[in-house]
Amino acid sequence: DTGVSQNPRHKITKRGQNVTFRCDPISEHNRLYWYRQTLGQGPEFLTYFQNEAQLEKSRLLSDRFSAERPKGSFSTLEIQRTEQGDSAMYLCASSLGTWGAGGEAFFGQGTRLTVV
Amino acid sequence: TQLLEQSPQFLSIQEGENLTVYCNSSSVFSSLQWYRQEPGEGPVLLVTVVTGGEVKKLKRLTFQFGDARKDSSLHITAAQPGDTGLYLCAGKPTTSGTYKYIFGTGTRLKVLA
Repeated sequence: DTGVSQNPRHKITKRGQNVTFRCDPISEHNRLYWYRQTLGQGPEFLTYFQNEAQLEKSRLLSDRFSAERPKGSFSTLEIQRTEQGDSAMYLCASSLGTWGAGGEAFFGQGTRLTVV
Repeated sequence: TQLLEQSPQFLSIQEGENLTVYCNSSSVFSSLQWYRQEPGEGPVLLVTVVTGGEVKKLKRLTFQFGDARKDSSLHITAAQPGDTGLYLCAGKPTTSGTYKYIFGTGTRLKVLA
């Protein structure tokens, strides 16, 4: 399978714990995006990487959230001191070149986080 | 904040009926995309429109981008149960240096056999 891969698919954690999600983009895709989607809503933008550089961050990405893409390949999204409001589907997408200008973004299946 | 409002929020119709989903904003977008998302999966791209007034057809689906590039519509002819899913519009803001798409609020479609 050469699509965007996200792990784990599901994560249940207790409030206050830290969690880390991983995204493996399509090989050679230089751009990577993280979104958060709550039930029945559209995805909300979190952050964007071009290669290893984090070029844009949403105000939704509070101090408890951090994302990295150390070698310009896979990316991790960490949430510290989780809160019940963090419960959502976390989606990762990647594109080769500019999204929409001939470069299509492909989404992974997401990681569903439940904070209890 | 650039919001994309979709209507209706929910739609349940019988197989064979036609429907239209609307995507509206007060902001101008350089391009707009439509996605379909199934439960437990990521969104899958259906179409990209870039020119004001542009109309694109994909089998039974017709997409239109508003003349002012602030709104869009998706029309499905003779809906089938396989069309069931969450339909999302997504616009790319014209703000310089922005590389992302902003997603709409979503329309959940259920087509009954």
